[in-house]
Amino acid sequence: EAGVAQSPRYKIIEKRQSVAFWCNPISGHATLYWYQQILGQGPKLLIQFQNNGVVDDSQLPKDRFSAERLKGVDSTLKIQPAKLEDSAVYLCASRTVRDTIYFGEGSWLTVV
Amino acid sequence: AQSVTQLDSQVPVFEEAPVELRCNYSSSVSVYLFWYVQYPNQGLQLLLKYLSGSTLVKGINGFEAEFNKSQTSFHLRKPSVHISDTAEYFCAADFGSRLTFGEGTQLTVNP
Repeated sequence: EAGVAQSPRYKIIEKRQSVAFWCNPISGHATLYWYQQILGQGPKLLIQFQNNGVVDDSQLPKDRFSAERLKGVDSTLKIQPAKLEDSAVYLCASRTVRDTIYFGEGSWLTVV
Repeated sequence: AQSVTQLDSQVPVFEEAPVELRCNYSSSVSVYLFWYVQYPNQGLQLLLKYLSGSTLVKGINGFEAEFNKSQTSFHLRKPSVHISDTAEYFCAADFGSRLTFGEGTQLTVNP
């Protein structure tokens, strides 16, 4: 079974530029998450989708972050404009029932 | 408020020594508990999980954890660690809607 796929793995951008990350969850997984992990901290939930609907985006900085999952499968997370404090690993995860959440390898963002 | 607390940010041990990484949670509802490991420059890998049933849970790589409802704890243990166990370990709790993580414990195994 293929895991959660994320791209790009690494990205370096200048502040005020934009960036987009893509995630393809495990086939059949209705729930998809985006987490932000700043170096030295635990992952923090940015947004949760159930199929193509948003379940929880209470911690998403909506002035600069946006995410979509239009067809209920893959998802895109966008940051525009980026700030230095957005430097982090962006983890995508998925699951099918209230059991195990499976994580991708992460997209590493450095904002300079 | 629902939260997860990892009591030690760094745990240094010698190879072949036992180790315990401590995790406490705060919740008034039923909870599922997980331990994940993160090696440098990699994503999160599930070590073990507690959903229900036996309070002693065995995971991969020789790790185990015990769910203690009265103490709201889920400590991770390994009787004999290896150099390759050096990594960041995260305790996480599913309170019904989202997975909430602790801040992590860096386990460093020295020769």
